[in-house]
Amino acid sequence: GNSVTQMEGPVTLSEEAFLTINCTYTATGYPSLFWYVQYPGEGLQLLLKATKADDKGSNKGFEATYRKETTSFHLEKGSVQVSDSAVYFCALHGGTSYGKLTFGQGTILTVHP
Amino acid sequence: DVKVTQSSRYLVKRTGEKVFLECVQDMDHENMFWYRQDPGLGLRLIYFSYDVKMKEKGDIPEGYSVSREKKERFSLILESASTNQTSMYLCASSIAGGSYNEQFFGPGTRLTVL
Repeated sequence: GNSVTQMEGPVTLSEEAFLTINCTYTATGYPSLFWYVQYPGEGLQLLLKATKADDKGSNKGFEATYRKETTSFHLEKGSVQVSDSAVYFCALHGGTSYGKLTFGQGTILTVHP
Repeated sequence: DVKVTQSSRYLVKRTGEKVFLECVQDMDHENMFWYRQDPGLGLRLIYFSYDVKMKEKGDIPEGYSVSREKKERFSLILESASTNQTSMYLCASSIAGGSYNEQFFGPGTRLTVL
């Protein structure tokens, strides 16, 4: 079946540091890949997505590139802010019907001033 | 602005009680989902629905049931709550079709079963 593995957390950074959160996946066929973010006290919201190999998703300074050869979709940001403190989830859609998503375990990011 | 609302942010129930969690979306979405979120486990799909009165089991349906009598409303039912159902419950919705359609999430209900 499909699965998503994220790097172990939590991650603690100083403001303006570079961020990488690793995400690898296992899926048959050609999945679509997503990063969702959950700010404190809120539900999840879509951060970015990529629907085919070599696509790059980007939003709010975050980027992730769909790498089929390494089955990865790592999230990066060049300079994090305190307001980026949140839980980040990698997810995939395996191409089956009804839009079901498979999520990774989530990575807690804390950014200090 | 699109919106998914959940009936309660926090809920405390006793073991053995029947518990109803309600979710309403105002986007005319066909698909609706119930997840539970636990630390270190991410989100796990309990049930989903792709149309009124239609439902499918997700990855962890045991101990839960659902109801979708109207397109905008999707209810999660714990028939007899147990302490291992203490968790954060998230509802989501999306339009039908396509493998890249965004799911929109509600704020979650934190359920504690004593």
